[in-house]
Amino acid sequence: NAGVTQTPKFQVLKTGQSMTLQCAQDMNHEYMSWYRQDPGMGLRLIHYSVGAGITDQGEVPNGYNVSRSTTEDFPLRLLSAAPSQTSVYFCASSYARELIGSYNEQFFGPGTRLTVL
Amino acid sequence: DQQVKQNSPSLSVQEGRISILNCDYTNSMFDYFLWYKKYPAEGPTFLISISSIKDKNEDGRFTVFLNKSAKHLSLHIVPSQPGDSAVYFCAASVNPWGKLQFGAGTQVVVTP
Repeated sequence: NAGVTQTPKFQVLKTGQSMTLQCAQDMNHEYMSWYRQDPGMGLRLIHYSVGAGITDQGEVPNGYNVSRSTTEDFPLRLLSAAPSQTSVYFCASSYARELIGSYNEQFFGPGTRLTVL
Repeated sequence: DQQVKQNSPSLSVQEGRISILNCDYTNSMFDYFLWYKKYPAEGPTFLISISSIKDKNEDGRFTVFLNKSAKHLSLHIVPSQPGDSAVYFCAASVNPWGKLQFGAGTQVVVTP
């Protein structure tokens, strides 16, 4: 299993440009999510999905779009990049089912480091 | 507002000694608490978790303690090893899967 993969690893954009961050998982996980990591703020949830065709907003969704056409893929789109979107982006996935007395852990990809000039 | 707080941005500990990382939360609806470890240029990896029905969970050198009345949890690493040098994130969830709220992280450095 490759687990959770993300492309690209690094990206530099100019203000106003658009791009798509790719995320794929091969574990047949129902739940997928996007986080951004900024210094001193931990990871913050951008968007998430509980299955193909179902997406919802997280804590910081503005400026980002997502779609989930297959179980495996969950791309994140920046429509018009802004310097405030300079960050490290992580995709994660997990099963969407209850384990007795335990949390169903999320598996994270290696991240995409994005700089917006 | 940050519902999960890690007030110590960094911790330095000698190899072989105990590392204690602390985490506080404000949302009483949280039922599941996790610790993730992160090395530079990698994604976070799951370390250990605890549900609100327990007050302690052990996995090898790692133990997590939960004090619900104080809304506080801690991670103990005994003994600390150089490979434990990483950023540790505390996270919490209302449900047994899905949305996680993360703390800001604590950078641990284990010195020889």
